[in-house]
Amino acid sequence: EPEVTQTPSHQVTQMGQEVILRCVPISNHLYFYWYRQILGQKVEFLVSFYNNEISEKSEIFDDQFSVERPDGSNFTLKIRSTKLEDSAMYFCASRLGQGKTGANVLTFGAGSRLTVL
Amino acid sequence: GENVEQHPSTLSVQEGDSAVIKCTYSDSASNYFPWYKQELGKRPQLIIDIRSNVGEKKDQRIAVTLNKTAKHFSLHITETQPEDSAVYFCAASNRDDKIIFGKGTRLHILP
Repeated sequence: EPEVTQTPSHQVTQMGQEVILRCVPISNHLYFYWYRQILGQKVEFLVSFYNNEISEKSEIFDDQFSVERPDGSNFTLKIRSTKLEDSAMYFCASRLGQGKTGANVLTFGAGSRLTVL
Repeated sequence: GENVEQHPSTLSVQEGDSAVIKCTYSDSASNYFPWYKQELGKRPQLIIDIRSNVGEKKDQRIAVTLNKTAKHFSLHITETQPEDSAVYFCAASNRDDKIIFGKGTRLHILP
């Protein structure tokens, strides 16, 4: 079964450092997402990406965050200058879209745990 | 924007009994309502979903009901088993580029 893959599974960084989290969405999916989950809390929407541009972002996704699809397969989340409160599990997700059967099903990756010291 | 409220935050039921989790949403334009199960340390996984043109959907021991007028939807798990213990999230969406999750319900199945 197709999977969303994420790397690294765990990253530890010093406050103020830049971090890049990587994702490979399912190959024929059109919509890509980043979500964040602070330990024990809800899954929070950060940003969605469609047709090579951001289509929606939340108030959490401020100027310190950026996303990129540098090639046909990777989808990255960059945090420019990490803060302690950025410590969380970051989930990448993708979905097919466009009204086909199962098009709305959001498939999550296994997550990247970010620890900011 | 959309806001999804979910309750209870924690639910304990005896094995074999039923569990019900309820959610409300704010945006009347929302038309897609998935439920995700997240086991400890793992990714959320879709267990069932419903679209706004349907009032109820069932898949074996799991069912979801939707009341569009009241803007609420519920997850029903019957004949609960130990492996049902997890955190369950409801979510709502009215467009392809955003799915908003509730705060989650931690379900404990008691032996």
